[in-house]
Amino acid sequence: AQSVTQLDSHVSVSEGTPVLLRCNYSSSYSPSLFWYVQHPNKGLQLLLKYTSAATLVKGINGFEAEFKKSETSFHLTKPSAHMSDAAEYFCVVRENSGYSTLTFGKGTMLLVSP
Amino acid sequence: KAGVTQTPRYLIKTRGQQVTLSCSPISGHRSVSWYQQTPGQGLQFLFEYFSETQRNKGNFPGRFSGRQFSNSRSEMNVSTLELGDSALYLCASSIRTGVSTDTQYFGPGTRLTVL
Repeated sequence: AQSVTQLDSHVSVSEGTPVLLRCNYSSSYSPSLFWYVQHPNKGLQLLLKYTSAATLVKGINGFEAEFKKSETSFHLTKPSAHMSDAAEYFCVVRENSGYSTLTFGKGTMLLVSP
Repeated sequence: KAGVTQTPRYLIKTRGQQVTLSCSPISGHRSVSWYQQTPGQGLQFLFEYFSETQRNKGNFPGRFSGRQFSNSRSEMNVSTLELGDSALYLCASSIRTGVSTDTQYFGPGTRLTVL
């Protein structure tokens, strides 16, 4: 079975400061992990994904995430927040087993203040 | 390349009615998955279609059904609508099925409101 926990429902940062969105996962098999972003009234856009290659994954718009198997974590970071980063972020897990499906975290709303 | 398109974008229905939502995947993508997004339950998997066959199904009642056509376009249908069916319905496409590393690309969603 697979599951994902996003540790913060809301994160508030000031523009220009670092962003950290936390995600822990559980999986019976080696997982693929994804971060998606959703802007208001929009669909989900892929930021980055981990598929058992490099543990440090770089994505779009300056975001990156590090896969830590020992901690079962896949936290999303960005060195400097921009106003346009304000959105909801979803951590997603999918087991490398048969016809597994995507399992989503509950989401973290990122608020960016000027 | 055009992205995933969903029609209509907004729908208002009343309890007891039925509704059909449509999804056109990215050209060349043969897998289409459907998700329901609500404030209370978050994003939940409904079902996946590949080559006109349902490959996987989430934990939803039989009122929720879908199908896929030979051109990979997909429709989902909800019969006997309930107030709790009000949600954003998202469609996602990917090239293959059963490959966990494949990216799913999402459409903008259909916002269904049941009165």
